[in-house]
Amino acid sequence: NAGVTQTPKFRILKIGQSMTLQCTQDMNHNYMYWYRQDPGMGLKLIYYSVGAGITDKGEVPNGYNVSRSTTEDFPLRLELAAPSQTSVYFCASSPSTALPAQYFGPGTRLLVL
Amino acid sequence: AQSVTQPDIHITVSEGASLELRCNYSYGATPYLFWYVQSPGQGLQLLLKYFSGDTLVQGIKGFEAEFKRSQSSFNLRKPSVHWSDAAEYFCAVGAGGNQFYFGTGTSLTVIP
Repeated sequence: NAGVTQTPKFRILKIGQSMTLQCTQDMNHNYMYWYRQDPGMGLKLIYYSVGAGITDKGEVPNGYNVSRSTTEDFPLRLELAAPSQTSVYFCASSPSTALPAQYFGPGTRLLVL
Repeated sequence: AQSVTQPDIHITVSEGASLELRCNYSYGATPYLFWYVQSPGQGLQLLLKYFSGDTLVQGIKGFEAEFKRSQSSFNLRKPSVHWSDAAEYFCAVGAGGNQFYFGTGTSLTVIP
């Protein structure tokens, strides 16, 4: 099993550009999450999903959008990139039992200039 | 509001020495608690978790953690540190609505 995979690994964006960060899991987990990690900080939850077609905001959703059309995929969309979105983005998934642990992808490093 | 505090930003220990990383949480109900490790350039890997039952939990790589409700703590320990344990360690609490809250992390340096 590949677990949770993320693409790309690294990306440079210009201010105002848009992009989609891809996340795929092959563990048939219902729950998926997007976090951002800033230097010296813990992870902040951006969005999460409890199943296909169901998404909800986390702690820091502004400037981002998500969709969940399949169990496997949970892409994160940045519509108008801003320097404040420079960060490392992690996708995670967990099975559908009550609050189990999360399994993380390797991360996408994004630089907005 | 839920929060997780890791009071030590950075810790340095000698190889073979014991280790304790501190974690305090604020949560109104019985918490679900986790410790993760992050090696440079990598994602987070689960070390151990506490949901209920025995307050001393064993994890991978020889780590253990003890849940102390009276102190709102979930400290991570290892009897003898290896050079490969050098990494960033994150404590997290699971709250309702499938939301997780992470501490700011403790960076561990291991001296040969």
